[in-house]
Amino acid sequence: EPEVTQTPSHQVTQMGQEVILRCVPISNHLYFYWYRQILGQKVEFLVSFYNNEISEKSEIFDDQFSVERPDGSNFTLKIRSTKLEDSAMYFCASRDMTGRVGETQYFGPGTRLLVL
Amino acid sequence: KQEVTQIPAALSVPEGENLVLNCSFTDSAIYNLQWFRQDPGKGLTSLLLIQSSQREQTSGRLNASLDKSSGRSTLYIAASQPGDSATYLCAVGPYNTDKLIFGTGTRLQVFP
Repeated sequence: EPEVTQTPSHQVTQMGQEVILRCVPISNHLYFYWYRQILGQKVEFLVSFYNNEISEKSEIFDDQFSVERPDGSNFTLKIRSTKLEDSAMYFCASRDMTGRVGETQYFGPGTRLLVL
Repeated sequence: KQEVTQIPAALSVPEGENLVLNCSFTDSAIYNLQWFRQDPGKGLTSLLLIQSSQREQTSGRLNASLDKSSGRSTLYIAASQPGDSATYLCAVGPYNTDKLIFGTGTRLQVFP
């Protein structure tokens, strides 16, 4: 069964460093998302992406964050200058190409980011 | 602003019990509601998706209901097993947006 994959599974970085989290969505999906979950808190929406542009972003997704689909398979989240409060589990998700909002989003296993 | 709440926060039951997890949301303008399972340190596995026009969905021992007008959904797990132990999250898909808004989850432990 097709699944969303994410790399790395764990990343430790120093405050102020740039990190890139990578995702490979399900192959025929065209809508992509990033969410995050700070330890002990709710899963929070960060950004949605379609047709090579951001379709929606949350207040969390400030200028330090960017997303990109560099090729036909990868979807990346970049944090330019990490802060301690960026430590969280980051989930990538995708949904299929029917174009109907409200269809199932499929989530990857997450990348656990620790900023020291 | 849409708020999603789940009760109880934690639940511990013996194997074989039928149980109900509750989810409530403050704004009934939603496309759908989705139930997920999250194992410790792991990703989110979609269990059931209920469209706003539907009342319930079933998958194996799981049954999810939706009462949009009252802002409530329940996840019913029949004949619980130790392998059902996990955190269960509900998430709503509001109108005019493609994002999901998650609840805080119910941590379920089923002991033999």
